Amino acid sequence: GEDVEQSLFLSVREGDSSVINCTYTDSSSTYLYWYKQEPGAGLQLLTYIFSNMDMKQDQRLTVLLNKKDKHLSLRIADTQTGDSAIYFCAESIEAGTASKLTFGTGTRLQVTL
Amino acid sequence: NAGVTQTPKFQVLKTGQSMTLQCAQDMNHEYMSWYRQDPGMGLRLIHYSVGAGITDQGEVPNGYNVSRSTTEDFPLRLLSAAPSQTSVYFCASSFLRGAETQYFGPGTRLLVL
Repeated sequence: GEDVEQSLFLSVREGDSSVINCTYTDSSSTYLYWYKQEPGAGLQLLTYIFSNMDMKQDQRLTVLLNKKDKHLSLRIADTQTGDSAIYFCAESIEAGTASKLTFGTGTRLQVTL
Repeated sequence: NAGVTQTPKFQVLKTGQSMTLQCAQDMNHEYMSWYRQDPGMGLRLIHYSVGAGITDQGEVPNGYNVSRSTTEDFPLRLLSAAPSQTSVYFCASSFLRGAETQYFGPGTRLLVL
């Protein structure tokens, strides 16, 4: 079955890099996603990576995918207080179809001054 | 564009009461869905719709009904609320089922006593 796991909490200092990790179990995953949820708000898609890619960079965000270990990570460079939020990874087993997403439990990122 | 809107923001119900959570989008998206978010768990799909008049069950559909009479609206009905339905509910919409184009509403926090 599908299962997506994340650590619950991460605290970093402003200006440092943050690395949020995610492991998944379904080797047939086609797309993997990172979402950000700010307090009192819905999820916002940050970035996604196709399963045949190893890395994707988008400004301060770098996504690394290790298919062999089924491990996904999100690196945020120069972390700012506005990055404080809950980050969810999600996998899709059907070509990016929204109804086939499995979400992780979320990692709360706390950015301290 | 208002995006995806949800009402109410917060609701308290007694066990056995019924209510409808409203969701509307103004982006002419065909695909709409409802998720619930519980502490320590990722989002779980309740029901979804790929267009007006078409709905289907997600991972946790029991206790919930949906209908889709227009492209814009996708209400979620609780016929007889139970404490296990205490949760935060998110509505989402996307273009052509694509997870990479999925927009989330701000959520409805429901407490069932």
